[in-house]
Amino acid sequence: DTAVSQTPKYLVTQMGNDKSIKCEQNLGHDTMYWYKQDSKKFLKIMFSYNNKELIINETVPNRFSPKSPDKAHLNLHINSLELGDSAVYFCASSQEGGGGHEQYFGPGTRLTVT
Amino acid sequence: AQSVTQLDSHVSVSEGTPVLLRCNYSSSYSPSLFWYVQHPNKGLQLLLKYTSAATLVKGINGFEAEFKKSETSFHLTKPSAHMSDAAEYFCVVSGWGAQKLVFGQGTRLTINP
Repeated sequence: DTAVSQTPKYLVTQMGNDKSIKCEQNLGHDTMYWYKQDSKKFLKIMFSYNNKELIINETVPNRFSPKSPDKAHLNLHINSLELGDSAVYFCASSQEGGGGHEQYFGPGTRLTVT
Repeated sequence: AQSVTQLDSHVSVSEGTPVLLRCNYSSSYSPSLFWYVQHPNKGLQLLLKYTSAATLVKGINGFEAEFKKSETSFHLTKPSAHMSDAAEYFCVVSGWGAQKLVFGQGTRLTINP
């Protein structure tokens, strides 16, 4: 019974396409996140939502648009994909947004843009 | 602002010997500190966390870390390495009240038979 799940696990697409990654958590958490892990394994937060409200929006291109239909789901839509978007994208959730709460991560979606 | 520096990009030890992964942090607030592990092609799993309680924190799989405010360090240790410990390890800092986790660059741990 997966706590944080993402679909798809792998995504291969061409430059210029639009794609979406879906994330769902069954932990009853209020806060969800998207992270990007680059080829050097460096992880950086992209977005954070608390109860469907955008809390953190790092300097991410406008081509990336998160959407939270309810507090258990946080999807990531990417328009006009570029080669530099190739990375592993991780969804995470936490009980609350405070700094003391650990985040639970999904298995990741490996995006390859050709 | 918070930041974290992992002092070694790669650590290699023999099975059965101690493991030491070093991490220094910088934080304007009382920090919360975490160690996460990422096995190949997997997501991240929490090993342990420090949130201003006991300075010596015990985690899963025999790992522990000690918070040293005077040295701004949060090094991860394990007395005896197992082959299954081979993975990427991330030291992470978060300021209290801040939702954002700031990750270190990661340390790749290799275990030699």
